[in-house]
Amino acid sequence: AQTVTQSQPEMSVQEAETVTLSCTYDTSESDYYLFWYKQPPSRQMILVIRQEAYKQQNATENRFSVNFQKAAKSFSLKISDSQLGDAAMYFCGLDYGQNFVFGPGTRLSVLP
Amino acid sequence: EAGVAQSPRYKIIEKRQSVAFWCNPISGHATLYWYQQILGQGPKLLIQFQNNGVVDDSQLPKDRFSAERLKGVDSTLKIQPAKLEDSAVYLCASSLDYWARRTDTQYFGPGTRLTVL
Repeated sequence: AQTVTQSQPEMSVQEAETVTLSCTYDTSESDYYLFWYKQPPSRQMILVIRQEAYKQQNATENRFSVNFQKAAKSFSLKISDSQLGDAAMYFCGLDYGQNFVFGPGTRLSVLP
Repeated sequence: EAGVAQSPRYKIIEKRQSVAFWCNPISGHATLYWYQQILGQGPKLLIQFQNNGVVDDSQLPKDRFSAERLKGVDSTLKIQPAKLEDSAVYLCASSLDYWARRTDTQYFGPGTRLTVL
């Protein structure tokens, strides 16, 4: 079975600082994609960043970057220069075959 | 571009009653997804449609849940009869097509919060 684990239920960061959210996954598929989605209190999930498993280069999207360690099945999200608007639930997701599975989420608080 | 629309936003029912949720995806999006998000958990994919056909419904509890997308546009998800454990947020999402879920993104609606008493 495919699983996604996020071991940090809650994290906090000072505004303008950097924070890293952890994610590990398990899959027997060779073709898969990994995602980080953000869910603010409005509940609307928004894509933050994606990584194709066949690409070794880590994805970057403005202040957001990932550390993809395929052998270790680890996919962490780094948020640089944190802003108040980054406060939300963050879900790590695994897209494999016909299915998509999310982790349990990490609640990120940004302190002014 | 209008986003994914869902209604109602909130619904409270008694156990054993029936309930239906409605979703209108982004115009032109062929693929539609229904997720169940129980409080404190990540969303769980229940069913996927490609146009008006079901791609995968392996996670859908078919004894009480049903979903349809008759004309390949909007969709309804029904629960009959509801149980206490069905209390959750039901999210609808869409993508241009099945592969765009990977190369682009799924676009999510605001969800319907269901409370079963």
